[in-house]
Amino acid sequence: DAEITQSPRHKITETGRQVTLACHQTWNHNNMFWYRQDLGHGLRLIHYSYGVHDTNKGEVSDGYSVSRSNTEDLPLTLESAASSQTSVYFCASSRGTAYNEQFFGPGTRLTVL
Amino acid sequence: DQQVKQNSPSLSVQEGRISILNCDYTNSMFDYFLWYKKYPAEGPTFLISISSIKDKNEDGRFTVFLNKSAKHLSLHIVPSQPGDSAVYFCAASAHGAGSYQLTFGKGTKLSVIP
Repeated sequence: DAEITQSPRHKITETGRQVTLACHQTWNHNNMFWYRQDLGHGLRLIHYSYGVHDTNKGEVSDGYSVSRSNTEDLPLTLESAASSQTSVYFCASSRGTAYNEQFFGPGTRLTVL
Repeated sequence: DQQVKQNSPSLSVQEGRISILNCDYTNSMFDYFLWYKKYPAEGPTFLISISSIKDKNEDGRFTVFLNKSAKHLSLHIVPSQPGDSAVYFCAASAHGAGSYQLTFGKGTKLSVIP
């Protein structure tokens, strides 16, 4: 079955370190998204991609970057982790149909100490 | 500026009764609306959707109503079951405007009491 996976599921890091969160989907979807979920804020879009070599900034992109070298993967990099980036991160993908239904991964809980 | 608003952070309902979750939006370009359900430690999963050309869509115990003039939609769950306890997110899409993004509300935590 096609799926979307994220790794690691849990990560603890220190302030200032570079961290990369992986996202892999096997649906062959062109569109991929990264969100963070924080109490009181719901799901906020960090970065998104509509195809290979395409990347775009979302609502809360400062301190994050993505790259899209193939259809299946959209890794999210925190250049220099900050305590404010402690959050749960979700990756999603979609075909781009009218409803824009997105399929979400299981999430990565990141703690920055 | 929050374009999709879920003004009730939480809702408690007795098992067997109706749960009504509300969502308001401000962007007139939104033409599709979706509800997602999220359990703790899991990713959100798609529940039900509605196009702006309709005012109702039903799927089993779940019905979504859209009032386009009021820019308001609601999710009805009848009858509510303990397994429905989760956070529900309302989301909107402006597909007709060429966007593949979803704009999410902050979510409503539903607790169904046995």
